[in-house]
Amino acid sequence: DAGVIQSPRHEVTEMGQEVTLRCKPISGHNSLFWYRQTMMRGLELLIYFNNNVPIDDSGMPEDRFSAKMPNASFSTLKIQPSEPRDSAVYFCASQSGGSQPQHFGDGTRLSIL
Amino acid sequence: GQQVMQIPQYQHVQEGEDFTTYCNSSTTLSNIQWYKQRPGGHPVFLIQLVKSGEVKKQKRLTFQFGEAKKNSSLHITATQTTDVGTYFCAVTQGGSEKLVFGKGTKLTVNP
Repeated sequence: DAGVIQSPRHEVTEMGQEVTLRCKPISGHNSLFWYRQTMMRGLELLIYFNNNVPIDDSGMPEDRFSAKMPNASFSTLKIQPSEPRDSAVYFCASQSGGSQPQHFGDGTRLSIL
Repeated sequence: GQQVMQIPQYQHVQEGEDFTTYCNSSTTLSNIQWYKQRPGGHPVFLIQLVKSGEVKKQKRLTFQFGEAKKNSSLHITATQTTDVGTYFCAVTQGGSEKLVFGKGTKLTVNP
């Protein structure tokens, strides 16, 4: 069984550039989550979708961040324009519903110079 | 919103020693999940506790849920170097799928 697939694994870019992170959830999972992990703030939920619909985006830091889920097998997290403080590991996770375990992807290590 | 305090933040042990991490909430929890993240890796689900006073074991790992469902612990007996990583507790917020993670306990094991 393929797990959650994220791309790219690493991204280094200059501030001001647009960054797009991608996620393919586990087939059949109807909830998808985007997290950001830093040493200072730990693991923070940015946004989550249920059946492709955004349910809670209260963790999205500001308008520079946006997320979409156009279909059940794909989601993107976009940062435009990027800033150095956005440097972090971004994880995508999916879940089959309710209080089931979340399955995480390998993450994208983002560095904004 | 729901918050959960996890202690200690760091724990360094000699191989063979025991290890315990604790999660505490000011409100009653419906359930609690535990995850492990190896260095450079991603969080991996370990277990979910639902019932008051529940105790579950996975080999050398023992998970407990408090009687009042406000706290939980993870205990590792006779640590091994493969136990190295950060252990997180996570709780659901309201009736949603949203998980709130503790800050984690980073375990290092000296061989």
